[in-house]
Amino acid sequence: ETGVTQSPTHLIKTRGQQVTLRCSSQSGHNTVSWYQQALGQGPQFIFQYYREEENGRGNFPPRFSGLQFPNYSSELNVNALELDDSALYLCASSLGGGQNYGYTFGSGTRLTVV
Amino acid sequence: KNQVEQSPQSLIILEGKNCTLQCNYTVSPFSNLRWYKQDTGRGPVSLTIMTFSENTKSNGRYTATLDADTKQSSLHITASQLSDSASYICVVIPSGGSYIPTFGRGTSLIVHP
Repeated sequence: ETGVTQSPTHLIKTRGQQVTLRCSSQSGHNTVSWYQQALGQGPQFIFQYYREEENGRGNFPPRFSGLQFPNYSSELNVNALELDDSALYLCASSLGGGQNYGYTFGSGTRLTVV
Repeated sequence: KNQVEQSPQSLIILEGKNCTLQCNYTVSPFSNLRWYKQDTGRGPVSLTIMTFSENTKSNGRYTATLDADTKQSSLHITASQLSDSASYICVVIPSGGSYIPTFGRGTSLIVHP
């Protein structure tokens, strides 16, 4: 059984650029959620995907978008990067919404916007 | 607005000592409450999951308690080890529709030899 894998592990982008982060869910999980964690803060929920549809979204602007693929892997896309987007981006997979069985987190992608 | 507040913000203890971390929440109604351990630069790892009807849950040296009436939870770490140095995050999952989790900011624990 494989856990959640995220790529890349680190990334440096320039303000105004676009970035795509990737996540492979744990075997048997069908739901993926994304979180932004600024330094010294708790993770903030961005959105969740279930069966390739977004089914929950936190307080993030539309330039944060995502996809889920038939194999349940997922992408997080961020357009027009801002300096405040610098953070650790975490992906978590779960069975269903995760409310009953919990989430398995990946190790994250550290994004630095300069 | 759903909120999860954790205290203390940071804690330093000596190896072998016990400690207790606190979590107060306003999420209501809620489905379950979780404690995660997050090492620096890594993703959170689940320690305990408690539903609203459970009062306590243990995982080795970690014991979580829950008082749903006062909306408080605590995580007690017994006989601390150097490897316990990490951030401990309290997460509350609401019930009744969205199941969007609310995370606390975490308590940073440092265990010194």
